[in-house]
Amino acid sequence: GNSVTQMEGPVTLSEEAFLTINCTYTATGYPSLFWYVQYPGEGLQLLLKATKADDKGSNKGFEATYRKETTSFHLEKGSVQVSDSAVYFCALNWNQAGTALIFGKGTTLSVSS
Amino acid sequence: GAVVSQHPSRVICKSGTSVKIECRSLDFQATTMFWYRQFPKQSLMLMATSNEGSKATYEQGVEKDKFLINHASLTLSTLTVTSAHPEDSSFYICSAPDRVVNTEAFFGQGTRLTVV
Repeated sequence: GNSVTQMEGPVTLSEEAFLTINCTYTATGYPSLFWYVQYPGEGLQLLLKATKADDKGSNKGFEATYRKETTSFHLEKGSVQVSDSAVYFCALNWNQAGTALIFGKGTTLSVSS
Repeated sequence: GAVVSQHPSRVICKSGTSVKIECRSLDFQATTMFWYRQFPKQSLMLMATSNEGSKATYEQGVEKDKFLINHASLTLSTLTVTSAHPEDSSFYICSAPDRVVNTEAFFGQGTRLTVV
């Protein structure tokens, strides 16, 4: 079946450190891939997405590249800030209207100054 | 951007009672809404798809009679956990698909339910 696997947390970093959160997926066909972020007390927000192989999604200094050959969509940021502390969810979806997302377990990131 | 409001954000209830969670689309109409549940250290799992004006579609293993879903209008879907038990304690979150970009969705803030 379709599934998303992302690295276990929590991830604890110092400010300005490099961040990688691994995400791999299992799916038939070519889904769209997403990273969502949930800040404390808020709902999930779309961080970035990629809809086809080799696409790179980017936003707020975060990047992720859709790698079909490794079925991966790893999230990276060169220099994290305290304000990046949140839970990050990798997800996939099919390019069909009204279909639900399939999520990974979420990775908690904690950045200290 | 579009906003989905979910209420309450936290609720504690006694075993055997029922709890209603509301999910509202504030500035757009949502003919479909999704309800997810997340147990500690687990994925957000789809429970059911709520359809305005018709019956909800439940995922395998989700009890229809326990998790009552009502989507009475284009801006409101409700999830009622009936006869709650401690094992129903979880994080519940709703979402509505973006009708412009049909692969994306807007999420509520989530509801932390604790049954004691």
